[in-house]
Formats: sequence, C-alpha cells, structure tokens
Amino acid sequence: NAGVTQTPKFQVLKTGQSMTLQCAQDMNHNSMYWYRQDPGMGLRLIYYSASEGTTDKGEVPNGYNVSRLNKREFSLRLESAAPSQTSVYFCASSAKGRQGTNTGELFFGEGSRLTVL
Amino acid sequence: AQSVTQLGSHVSVSEGALVLLRCNYSSSVPPYLFWYVQYPNQGLQLLLKYTTGATLVKGINGFEAEFKKSETSFHLTKPSAHMSDAAEYFCAVSDRRGNAGKSTFGDGTTLTVKP
Repeated sequence: NAGVTQTPKFQVLKTGQSMTLQCAQDMNHNSMYWYRQDPGMGLRLIYYSASEGTTDKGEVPNGYNVSRLNKREFSLRLESAAPSQTSVYFCASSAKGRQGTNTGELFFGEGSRLTVL
Repeated sequence: AQSVTQLGSHVSVSEGALVLLRCNYSSSVPPYLFWYVQYPNQGLQLLLKYTTGATLVKGINGFEAEFKKSETSFHLTKPSAHMSDAAEYFCAVSDRRGNAGKSTFGDGTTLTVKP
C-alpha cells in the first residue's frame, strides 16, 4: 500500500536554483495539497487542488507554483529558491465521502526535506 | 477564518500516567476537528476526527478526544501513556462548508514519555 509518495526525500539547493517536488497518490482521491512544516509553526498550506484540473492558493503561496498533472499527481515547483524556503514539504490527499463532500481527513506522504543555501 | 491553539509545546509524562494534550479552536462555522500524530522523520497520520454526532471520539492507540462547543475545545487524552506514544501531536480544524481538506494546524505538542 503506497498511499502518498513524494520525491525526492532530501534536496539541497543554492539560492536561485529551481526544482520540482513530485507527489503521487494511488487512493483515487480527488483533492491534493502541499503543506510546509517549519519548527514551532505547525503546517501551513501552500497550494491545493480540489479536483483534477483546478488549483488554488493556500496560506503561503508566494514563491511556488503547482501543477495537477492528472488525478494521481500534483507537483510543487520552486522557480528561484530562497533560504526562507528551507523547510519540510508534505504532500497530502483527501477523499470525498458517501455524500459527495470532502471528508477532511488528510493522508500524508513522508515529506521532502529541502535546504536552500 | 479559523485558528488553532495548542497549549504547551512540550508535555512530559511518566509511563502509565494520564496523557492530556490541549487544543482550542476558533471557527465561524461548525468545524471538522482532527488530531494527527507525527513520529520522527515521518509524515502525519490521523489519530481521530470529529465531524458530527457523538462529541466523544475514540481513535487509534487508545486515544480519545471530546468536542466541547461551549469551550471551543478538543482536548486529546489517553488514560495510560506508553513509551511508543512519544511523538509530536497536531490539532487541526477545517471548514465543513468548503474544501474540508484545507486544514489549519496548531503549532504542535511534543509528547515525551519517561520510563
């Protein structure tokens, strides 16, 4: 049972470099999310995709872009990395319940640890 | 707007003692409430959730939480701590009207269990 898979698990970048974090889920979930986790600050939502073909900004979208490639995959891109983007990034997905509304329960990947020098 | 406050960034208990992790929330609409656990170098996993109905919610690993609307609280408890409970715990709230997966998380509470 793979669940939510993120790659890479670790990455070191220099300021100004670009990179893409990949995320795939095999649970047939409609919604997917990117969160970042910083010490003492919990998780903050960067972007989300309520369904295939749609994306929306979360709480901290500046400096990031996303692509919902298909129902399974949701990528996060840093165009020009900055030290403030040093963080642990989590991809998550959630399902619709029997009544067609989002259940709210998030299924997380294991995280991608990014360091920007 | 929603917010979550977890009282106490670090809680330490002895093995076998009661675990109480506090969470207060703010929401303008009836919320969904969650507790997640994170073990070192892993992602978060759901412990329990409140959506509607019974206000006392039971989760995995012997944890439970009670939704108290009048106190805007959703505290997490476990009668007897085990060494394996040592982890970081996050309380989260989401808006049931919109995309309920857009959760707002508290800052987390690190639970230490002493032998």
